[in-house]
Amino acid sequence: AQTVTQSQPEMSVQEAETVTLSCTYDTSESNYYLFWYKQPPSRQMILVIRQEAYKQQNATENRFSVNFQKAAKSFSLKISDSQLGDTAMYFCAFRGGTSGSRLTFGEGTQLTVNP
Amino acid sequence: GAVVSQHPSWVICKSGTSVKIECRSLDFQATTMFWYRQFPKQSLMLMATSNEGSKATYEQGVEKDKFLINHASLTLSTLTVTSAHPEDSSFYICSPRQGAGDTQYFGPGTRLTVL
Repeated sequence: AQTVTQSQPEMSVQEAETVTLSCTYDTSESNYYLFWYKQPPSRQMILVIRQEAYKQQNATENRFSVNFQKAAKSFSLKISDSQLGDTAMYFCAFRGGTSGSRLTFGEGTQLTVNP
Repeated sequence: GAVVSQHPSWVICKSGTSVKIECRSLDFQATTMFWYRQFPKQSLMLMATSNEGSKATYEQGVEKDKFLINHASLTLSTLTVTSAHPEDSSFYICSPRQGAGDTQYFGPGTRLTVL
């Protein structure tokens, strides 16, 4: 079974600074997908970024980028130029490559951006 | 991203009554629907997975006779909590997916309070 671990229950950062959220996972599959979702106080889950394991290039989406280290099974999220609206719970998630695979979530990291 | 609606957004009911939650994917066809439950400050816990026109597959520990899932069409799925009790109070989130390799989106959630 796959597991996803987020070792930082809470983090804080000053507005405009950069913060990195950590995520490690365990799997025996070679083809899989990794995601970061954010859940703001509204509790709506929002996809932040997605990474296919077969791609060596790290995914980026505007201020959000990942550091995907396949051998180390590490998938960290970097948020640049943090904004107050980035305050949310962030979940790292894993999904296997086989048909019907479900998402496995980490425990989450509560990020607070301070003015 | 895709548009997913969930209704109602908040419901309060008396113990012993049944509550139906609707989930609609408004701009894509969901061949697979996932239903999650989330307790405060915790991660999402998968309850069941359903494919359109088929019976749902429930996770270990989730009572299939208590949480009835119907996925009769590619745009609508329902979760009915039967004979609800206070311990069923939680935040329920639907998550449709179009195809096996596609991104999984999330509904805005339903807060259920059982008195």
